[in-house]
Amino acid sequence: SQTIHQWPATLVQPVGSPLSLECTVEGTSNPNLYWYRQAAGRGLQLLFYSVGIGQISSEVPQNLSASRPQDRQFILSSKKLLLSDSGFYLCAWRGVLPGGTEAFFGQGTRLTVV
Amino acid sequence: AQRVTQPEKLLSVFKGAPVELKCNYSYSGSPELFWYVQYSRQRLQLLLRHISRESIKGFTADLNKGETSFHLKKPFAQEEDSAMYYCALSAYSGAGSYQLTFGKGTKLSVIP
Repeated sequence: SQTIHQWPATLVQPVGSPLSLECTVEGTSNPNLYWYRQAAGRGLQLLFYSVGIGQISSEVPQNLSASRPQDRQFILSSKKLLLSDSGFYLCAWRGVLPGGTEAFFGQGTRLTVV
Repeated sequence: AQRVTQPEKLLSVFKGAPVELKCNYSYSGSPELFWYVQYSRQRLQLLLRHISRESIKGFTADLNKGETSFHLKKPFAQEEDSAMYYCALSAYSGAGSYQLTFGKGTKLSVIP
């Protein structure tokens, strides 16, 4: 069966420090992968999506970047965190099932920049 | 570019009352639309997809291409329906890539 892992669950980082959030998918190959930020009142904001290794599309200009070094690995990074980067980050992959397509989400990472 | 609009941030209804969560979309192609739900302390998960034309937990949603809407409905709300609901659109971006766009979400609160 397909599963998605995202870590860490919570993270507290000082302003100016680097960031690396990792997401891995099991049980599927060549998935479409996504990073979202979830904020109250702003819903799910698509940050990056990737169709394959090394292929990243950015939706929102910001202090973050994404990379896909392996087929089932998707990384969200920052060289220097800002206070405004605080939020809840979700990784997802798009599955194609007999009944149709479906997005599967990780548990999320609560990032607090202090 | 595609867009999904959920006009209500919060919707409160009494138990047993009908529920309608509104969703409108903007997309030039043929859309694939979904409703996702997030219960307290749980992962975001699929509730239903328009192509299935199914009823899940008593909820239904009909795609109206003329009005570009995909409203979620339930005739009688239950307390366990209290959750955050997101409308979403999947659009083909070319080269095997699909962009998933979500609305800002509506928090449904069912009052006992």
